[in-house]
This record gives sequence, structure tokens and C-alpha cells, in this order.
Amino acid sequence: KAGVTQTPRYLIKTRGQQVTLSCSPISGHRSVSWYQQTPGQGLQFLFEYFSETQRNKGNFPGRFSGRQFSNSRSEMNVSTLELGDSALYLCASSLGQGVRGYTFGSGTRLTVV
Amino acid sequence: DAKTTQPTSMDCAEGRAANLPCNHSTISGNEYVYWYRQIHSQGPQYIIHGLKNNETNEMASLIITEDRKSSTLILPHATLRDTAVYYCIVRVPDNQGGKLIFGQGTELSVKP
Repeated sequence: KAGVTQTPRYLIKTRGQQVTLSCSPISGHRSVSWYQQTPGQGLQFLFEYFSETQRNKGNFPGRFSGRQFSNSRSEMNVSTLELGDSALYLCASSLGQGVRGYTFGSGTRLTVV
Repeated sequence: DAKTTQPTSMDCAEGRAANLPCNHSTISGNEYVYWYRQIHSQGPQYIIHGLKNNETNEMASLIITEDRKSSTLILPHATLRDTAVYYCIVRVPDNQGGKLIFGQGTELSVKP
């Protein structure tokens, strides 16, 4: 079956702009989580959505937001981009119930110039 | 979610078993131990998870001590493709609000 699909794979934006990243989970998965990975901070949890509701949130400023649609696809948005937002953004999906592991996508590489 | 401690890096000879330790001394009774790995620039890959019994799958074995304060991931016959950063994570199940929080992990280098 198809894995977790993230689009686009690469993105270059200018400071002050906003960006929207997309994540399509594995069919049947109802939970989508987002992570930011940078060389200095490692993998940091942004937020998790389950059945269109935000279930968990990490320690990121309000410029980072997300949503989940009824088909479980998710988007995350970053407004007023800063140079420090340059990172690999990873999305992971799971059934959302129980203890099964998460499946990660290949990520979107965002560069802010 | 409980915090984990792992060595920063380890080496292993190709074909030998790689044993990656993890300490999680503050683990709670309902928290599971998960292992993921990340090969450079790819998304993390799920390896295995367990609660208190030892677990084995096609990728690895997970040995959890009786007091559950530590665990070891075993790759029985390491190959060069197993070179990656390995993350040990402790969390409660999804329906209890468990987040997947990554630490710094162990960078495993498998050498010929």
C-alpha cells in the first residue's frame, strides 16, 4: 500500500512569506503528526491531529499551525517565515489508537532565504 | 513521557550483532518502549516496540529488563545499510495522548 506522501519535497521561500506543506497519510490512518528537524535541535514535535482535532501540541510559536481534513490529509502552515525555520519537516501517520508505530514520510525540505 | 538516555555513537563490524542500549529509569507502568532509526535525510523508520516482554521481528530484537528501567535493541547481523541514527523513545499509547518525543539518539556506524 502507498506510504505517507509529503508535498512538495523541496521549497525555497523568502523571509516574511508564508508556506503550506501537505501530508497524505496511509489509507485508514486517522492520526497525523508533524515534526521539524534541524541540525542543532534534532527532531522536534510540532503537533498531532486525530480525526480533524488537534490532540497534542509541541512548544512552537503560533506562527506554526496545522489542520486535518475529513479524509485525514493534513496541512501545516508557517506564517511570517524566519531564517531559523529552514528545516526538514516530517509528517508521520498512525492508526491513532493503540500502540502501533508511526510511519514517516520523506519530508519537505524548506529553505528560507 | 519518560526521558531516555543513549550513547552518542557506537561502531559495529559488519556481520556482527549490534547491541544498542537505552536507559529509561523513570518509565511508568503504561509506557511503551519504541525504537526508530533514521538513515541520513530520510524519515525515521519504525523498528520495534515493547511493554515488558522481549520482542522480536524481522528487523531486530528488543530486550527489556525486568524492572523496565533499561532496554537493548539487537540487530543480529549488522550490515552496512544499518548505519543510521537509532532513537529509543518511551511513550504512552496513542489513545492516552502519548507524543513521540525524539532524543539525540545513537549514531551507529557499521564498518566492513
